[in-house]
Amino acid sequence: ETGVTQSPTHLIKTRGQQVTLRCSSQSGHNTVSWYQQALGQGPQFIFQYYREEENGRGNFPPRFSGLQFPNYSSELNVNALELDDSALYLCASSLAGTGRYGYTFGSGTRLTVV
Amino acid sequence: KQEVTQIPAALSVPEGENLVLNCSFTDSAIYNLQWFRQDPGKGLTSLLLIQSSQREQTSGRLNASLDKSSGRSTLYIAASQPGDSATYLCAVGARYTGKLIFGQGTTLQVKP
Repeated sequence: ETGVTQSPTHLIKTRGQQVTLRCSSQSGHNTVSWYQQALGQGPQFIFQYYREEENGRGNFPPRFSGLQFPNYSSELNVNALELDDSALYLCASSLAGTGRYGYTFGSGTRLTVV
Repeated sequence: KQEVTQIPAALSVPEGENLVLNCSFTDSAIYNLQWFRQDPGKGLTSLLLIQSSQREQTSGRLNASLDKSSGRSTLYIAASQPGDSATYLCAVGARYTGKLIFGQGTTLQVKP
């Protein structure tokens, strides 16, 4: 059974550019959530996808968008990058959209915006 | 609005000590609570998951308790080892949405 995998592991982008981060959910999991973790802070919820539909969103602007594919993998897209978008982006997967069985996290993508 | 607080922010103990990490939350209407470990620059590793109807969970040297009425959870680590050094995060699961609300973490250093 494979865990949650994220790519790339590190990324450097210029302010104003666009970025796509990718996540493969754990085998059998149909729910994917994305979190942003700034240095020294706890992760903040961006949004969640359950069976290819967004079913929850945190306090992030519309330039943060996502997709979930039929195989339950997911993408996080961020447009018009700002310096404050520099953070560790974490993907988590779960068996159910309610989080009843807890979440399995990936190793994250470290995004640096310069 | 649910808020999660972890105290202390940092802790340094000698090897072999038993220790308790604290987590408090403001809204008792939670779905569950999960404790995670995070090594520097890495992702989160799930340690224990407690459903809202449960009082505690145990795994090896770790024991987590949950008291919904008082809005508190504790993570007890027995016989600490240098390999336990990491940041420990607690997260409450919101009802119906599955969203996790995290505390800021407790950074633990266990000295040999």
